[in-house]
Amino acid sequence: DAGVIQSPRHEVTEMGQEVTLRCKPISGHDYLFWYRQTMMRGLELLIYFNNNVPIDDSGMPEDRFSAKMPNASFSTLKIQPSEPRDSAVYFCASTVDRGVTEAFFGQGTRLTVV
Amino acid sequence: ILNVEQSPQSLHVQEGDSTNFTCSFPSSNFYALHWYRWETAKSPEALFVMTLNGDEKKKGRISATLNTKEGYSYLYIKGSQPEDSATYLCASAPGTYKYIFGTGTRLKVLA
Repeated sequence: DAGVIQSPRHEVTEMGQEVTLRCKPISGHDYLFWYRQTMMRGLELLIYFNNNVPIDDSGMPEDRFSAKMPNASFSTLKIQPSEPRDSAVYFCASTVDRGVTEAFFGQGTRLTVV
Repeated sequence: ILNVEQSPQSLHVQEGDSTNFTCSFPSSNFYALHWYRWETAKSPEALFVMTLNGDEKKKGRISATLNTKEGYSYLYIKGSQPEDSATYLCASAPGTYKYIFGTGTRLKVLA
C-alpha cells in the first residue's frame, strides 16, 4: 500500500475562495482523522470518521469547515470561504482500530490563504 | 490533567548523550498512549503504542515506559545521534477514538 495519500501537497489561495483538501486512507483502515497543525496550537484534531461516518466533529473550528467521506477510500475537507487564519498544514491519518494501533499520517497539505 | 502535555518543549543535546522527555496525560478512562517521531517536512511516524500500566517498549536506542495510574510516559534515547533530531509527539486516546496530541518535544542533537 502506498500509505495515506493527500492532495494537493501545497495550496495557495486568496481569501474568500473555496479550498478542498483530499485524502485517500490506507485500504482496510476503518478510521480516518483530519488534523490541523499550527505553530500556536500544535496538532489539533478537527474531525474523525469511522466506517465513513463522521463520529466527532467538535474540533472543526467553525461552519466554514466541512468534511465528507463518501466512501472508504476517499475523504475531503472543505473550507468555504477561506481566511488567512486558516493557513496551516492539514494532515489526514488513518488507522485500523481504535487506540491500540498506530495512526498512519499522510504527507500533509500546506495551505496558505493570502 | 485535562490535556496531553509534553516537556521539555525543546532540547539540545550533544551527540552520544542520552536523553529523556515526558508525556503527561489524563489517567482517567485511559485506553492507549502513542509516541510518534516527526521529522521536518515529513509526516509523523509511529514509534510505540502502549496500553498496559508498567509497559516498557524498545526500538533500537529508543525506549518508552508507561504509568497509567499517575498519567505519564517517558521516552528515552540512548546515545543520541544527529539523525535522532526530530519532534517527538505523544498522543492519548482517553476512552474514545480521539487521539489528543501533545505539542511535542523538539530534539536537536549536535554533532
